[in-house]
This record gives sequence, C-alpha cells and structure tokens, in this order.
Amino acid sequence: AQSVAQPEDQVNVAEGNPLTVKCTYSVSGNPYLFWYVQYPNRGLQFLLKYITGDNLVKGSYGFEAEFNKSQTSFHLKKPSALVSDSALYFCAVRVGNTGNQFYFGTGTSLTVIP
Amino acid sequence: NAGVTQTPKFRVLKTGQSMTLLCAQDMNHEYMYWYRQDPGMGLRLIHYSVGEGTTAKGEVPDGYNVSRLKKQNFLLGLESAAPSQTSVYFCASSYEPGRRKYTGELFFGEGSRLTVL
Repeated sequence: AQSVAQPEDQVNVAEGNPLTVKCTYSVSGNPYLFWYVQYPNRGLQFLLKYITGDNLVKGSYGFEAEFNKSQTSFHLKKPSALVSDSALYFCAVRVGNTGNQFYFGTGTSLTVIP
Repeated sequence: NAGVTQTPKFRVLKTGQSMTLLCAQDMNHEYMYWYRQDPGMGLRLIHYSVGEGTTAKGEVPDGYNVSRLKKQNFLLGLESAAPSQTSVYFCASSYEPGRRKYTGELFFGEGSRLTVL
C-alpha cells in the first residue's frame, strides 16, 4: 500500500535557524514526491517535487528537499527560517499515471519563533 | 487567471439536508479532484475525474456523489448530510500525465468549510 508519514505534528524553530520537516514514504515502484504548504484559511500551494535525477531538489521560497532512497525519506529543509515560513506543510506521493492520484501525509505545523 | 475556484466557501447544514459544492478551473486541466481535510488526518481523496463525463472513487467516497458534465467544472454532492461530513473540502486540478505541460503538481482551490449539525 502507498503511504506517506510525517512523524512530527509540530515543529518549532527560531528565526534564522535551519529547519527540517520530516517525511518518509512507502510506495511500490519509483516514487514521485511532493511538498505543499498551506497558510491559514488557504488552499495548498506547491513547493517542490522529486521525479527523477538529483537527490537534492530546490523549490519555492528557498526551500529544498533531499530524496534518500535507502531511507525512503524526503525531508524538507531550509537553511534559515523566516517567521513568514510558519504554516502547515504536507508531504505527498503520487501513485500511478492513471488518475494522477496523490496520497498526503497528515501534515506538520511549522512555527518560526521571532 | 482565477485558477481553481470553489463555491460556496462556507455552509452550515442540518443532518439529512443535501447540497452541492461547485469547483471551476480555468486552466484547461483534464484531471480534477475532491479532497477532504480533517485535523490529524491530512487530505483524503473523495472522488476524482480524468476527463469530461468520467469520474472515479477515491479513498473515502461513501456519502458523496460527483459529476463532471463540463471539462472546467467538477461538482461534489452530499445527498443526505451527516455530522461526520463536517470538514474542509478542497478541489484540485492538474494536467494529464504525459502532456507537455504536465508538471506533476496539483492546483488547489481555497477550500469550502462545511458544518453539519
């Protein structure tokens, strides 16, 4: 079965410090992995994706994520957190070409403390 | 360019009432989806459509029906609302995999908050 796990419901980090939001996955076949961000009372916005190629992918707003096949992980990172990064972050895996279905993790609430 | 638009944004229903949520996208996307978001459970796929006139069940389809009569619109219906259907509903759309414009990502609306009393 396809699944995505985000082990931390809440992550707190001081402004200016590096941040990491964790994601592990379980899929059959090659994984197509995504990160989305949700600000309060808004829909999800695409941050970045891994389809193939370099294990380190860069996305919007200075975020990056590292694909680790052996650990089946796709952690989201940013070298220096901003207060405006505070939001809900979702990891997602795409399964199958037919239907382009996505499975989402349960989300991690990131709070950047000034 | 409005993207994905959901109406209504808020609705309160009584148990047993029916309603329809409308999703409209102006990006000429082939695929459309309805998700529900509940605390601690992330987003769960209710139904999806790979093209006009076609729909398919997702992870949690019970209690919902959908229709895609036009490519740009995807309707989600609740025939007899239950308190368990209190949730935030998100519509999303994407290009078909294989199209030159396909980037893999989903484009989301801003959500419809439904409360069933």
